[in-house]
Order: sequence, then C-alpha cells, then structure tokens
Amino acid sequence: DAGVIQSPRHEVTEMGQEVTLRCKPISGHDYLFWYRQTMMRGLELLIYFNNNVPIDDSGMPEDRFSAKMPNASFSTLKIQPSEPRDSAVYFCASSLNEGGETQYFGPGTRLLVL
Amino acid sequence: AQSVTQLGSHVSVSEGALVLLRCNYSSSVPPYLFWYVQYPNQGLQLLLKYTSAATLVKGINGFEAEFKKSETSFHLTKPSAHMSDAAEYFCAVSYTGRRALTFGSGTRLQVQP
Repeated sequence: DAGVIQSPRHEVTEMGQEVTLRCKPISGHDYLFWYRQTMMRGLELLIYFNNNVPIDDSGMPEDRFSAKMPNASFSTLKIQPSEPRDSAVYFCASSLNEGGETQYFGPGTRLLVL
Repeated sequence: AQSVTQLGSHVSVSEGALVLLRCNYSSSVPPYLFWYVQYPNQGLQLLLKYTSAATLVKGINGFEAEFKKSETSFHLTKPSAHMSDAAEYFCAVSYTGRRALTFGSGTRLQVQP
C-alpha cells in the first residue's frame, strides 16, 4: 500500500484566500484523523471521522475551518478565509477499527499564509 | 481528560550512550500509549505501542519502553545511541472511548559523535 497520501505537500497563499488540503487514507482503514503541528501548540487534533462520519470536531479552531469525508478514500480540510496564524503543518492519519490500533501518518502539508 | 507530559524538550547524548526519554501520562481509564518519531520535514512514524499486553514493549530500531502503572510512566529507552537516532520523539495516549491521540510536547534528541 502507498500509505496515507496528502496533497499538496506545500502551499503558500495570501491572507483571505481559500485553502483546501486533501487526504487519501490507507485502503480499508475506518478512522481518519486531521492534526495540526505548530511550534506554539505542538501536535493537536482538529477532527476525526469513523466510517466517513465526523466523531469529534472539538479541535477545529473556528468556523473558518471545515472538513469533509465524502467517501472512504478521500477527505478534505478547508480553510476559508485563511489567516497568517493558520500557518502550520497539517497531518492526516488513518487507522483500523480496533482499540489501540496504530495511526499511520501522511507526510503532511506545510501551509504558509502570508 | 487525558494528558501527556514529556520531561525535557531537548536531550543530548553521545553516540553509544544510553538514550532515555521520559513520558508521564494522565488518564482516568486504561490507556493505550505510543511513541512516535519524526525526522525533519517528515511525518510521524510509530516506534512502539502499549495496548495492555506485555508491560515491556519492544519497538523498531532497538527502542523499548516500559509501562509502569504505579508511576503513570512510559519512558523510552535505547541502550546505545546512533547518529541516525537524532530526531524528535513524541509520546501519545488514546483510549477506547476516544481514538484520537493526545500528544506530548515532544523531545528533540541530539546525538553527538
């Protein structure tokens, strides 16, 4: 398997623009997670899905952030409008449906909002 | 609520020396515990995990960790450091009722020649 695939790997945009990050989980995995990594806050959960249904979105910063999972093989994280404080590395991860199951991380999308 | 504390944001060891990275957790229910490694500009890779089987867990690259419930600890060790071990290491916790990982703040390991 190719692992978790994220695109783009790097994104530079201007404040106010819409940003869409994409993730393809490992085939057969039931859970999909979006995390954000910053120097100030470290690694934090944004949202996670089970069988395409959002389970916990308490980490989504505000209404500017939205995430969807239209099918088992694709998820998007959208920021509209983007702000400089959204600059971070965004990771997608997926796992099987078992307690303590390993989460496999994608390479991340490095976002810079100018 | 769960939390993870990693003592020491930076640890420096000499090549061949013992590596000890500390992790303490707080959880009101039996936890699952993980150590991940992150190399520069890369994603996170699992080193090892504890899921209520053996308390001494062996992982990849010669790392191991011991779950100590009485101390609420899950410290990561390696007998002999290699230059290639230089990276950032994250301890994380989850549990059956919440699959998302709660991460510690990370420890950057530097290996001196």
